[in-house]
Amino acid sequence: KQEVTQIPAALSVPEGENLVLNCSFTDSAIYNLQWFRQDPGKGLTSLLLIQSSQREQTSGRLNASLDKSSGRSTLYIAASQPGDSATYLCAVTPRSYIPTFGRGTSLIVHP
Amino acid sequence: EPEVTQTPSHQVTQMGQEVILRCVPISNHLYFYWYRQILGQKVEFLVSFYNNEISEKSEIFDDQFSVERPDGSNFTLKIRSTKLEDSAMYFCASSIRLAGAGETQYFGPGTRLLVL
Repeated sequence: KQEVTQIPAALSVPEGENLVLNCSFTDSAIYNLQWFRQDPGKGLTSLLLIQSSQREQTSGRLNASLDKSSGRSTLYIAASQPGDSATYLCAVTPRSYIPTFGRGTSLIVHP
Repeated sequence: EPEVTQTPSHQVTQMGQEVILRCVPISNHLYFYWYRQILGQKVEFLVSFYNNEISEKSEIFDDQFSVERPDGSNFTLKIRSTKLEDSAMYFCASSIRLAGAGETQYFGPGTRLLVL
């Protein structure tokens, strides 16, 4: 059974820092990996999706990498801003769309 | 910008009662999903729906759950006889094509269900 672990569980940083959020998964037979953002009391917002054949995806200040063989992904946030404060979720998906989510990393960026 | 809407935002019900959670997906989307998140726990996939059929469902989605697209706009999740452990935030999502193929899903704001 797929297990997804996210480290750290919580992170508090001053504005401007570059951040790395980690996601690991136990079964490397994945079809893709997604990073989501969840704001308090709201739904999820899709940030980046990496197909299993890809190594990384970039969107603005966000960069996600995937090492399928080692079961790891990282989300890099450059020059963090207070508006980046949210919970970041990682989810892996097999070919049949039944995603498994991690517990998330709760990020606070303070001015 | 189009968005997924869900009603009600909060619902309180007695154990054993039936509840229907409603979602209006984005109008040109063809794939629909339900997820739940128990307070303090992970987001869990429940079911995906396409062409008026369930495409995939998780172990959680047992006979107590059902989904329906009763008309051209609504997508509903019914829980026939609620249990205490059904208390959670329920999220609806939609996408143009299957999310697993790389298509972005759009999530609604959720319905918080409390079973007493």
